[in-house]
Amino acid sequence: EAGVTQSPTHLIKTRGQQATLRCSPISGHTSVYWYQQALGLGLQFLLWYDEGEERNRGNFPPRFSGRQFPNYSSELNVNALELEDSALYLCASSREDGTGEQFFGPGTRLTVL
Amino acid sequence: GQQVMQIPQYQHVQEGEDFTTYCNSSTTLSNIQWYKQRPGGHPVFLIQLVKSGEVKKQKRLTFQFGEAKKNSSLHITATQTTDVGTYFCAGPYRGGSGSRLTFGEGTQLTVNP
Repeated sequence: EAGVTQSPTHLIKTRGQQATLRCSPISGHTSVYWYQQALGLGLQFLLWYDEGEERNRGNFPPRFSGRQFPNYSSELNVNALELEDSALYLCASSREDGTGEQFFGPGTRLTVL
Repeated sequence: GQQVMQIPQYQHVQEGEDFTTYCNSSTTLSNIQWYKQRPGGHPVFLIQLVKSGEVKKQKRLTFQFGEAKKNSSLHITATQTTDVGTYFCAGPYRGGSGSRLTFGEGTQLTVNP
């Protein structure tokens, strides 16, 4: 069974630009979660999608947005990038709705210059 | 506010010493999960505890769920350098249009050989 995949692995942008990060969940998983992890810190919850709907959103500004496609893959968009957006962005998927074991992808390292 | 508190934030031990991290919830949990993130890696599921007072062991790792199902601990006996990483607990909490896992801040373990 293939794991959660994310692309790109690394992304370098400049302040004010827009970034798009992609995630493909494990086959059969309908829930996708996005987390931000700044260097050496914990997992900050960003977004949760299930069956194409946004179920929950963390305490992030509106310039962080996303969507889930009919094949359950997901996209995270960050507009008007700021230096403090530099972090590892992790995507996870789960078989069950919300509270089941989460399987994480390798992450996208976003650097904002 | 933070619903899952985890302590300590950092722990440095000599190889062979024991290590314990504690997780406390503001509310009763239906279950609690533990994850490990190696340096440079992504979180990986270790175990889920469901029953009040439950104790589970994985080799040198012992996981406990409190009687009131509001706290949990992970104890590692005789740490090895392979135990290095950040350990996260996670519990389901109501958020948005469903319940989802909320992660603690994590305990970063370093092991000196």
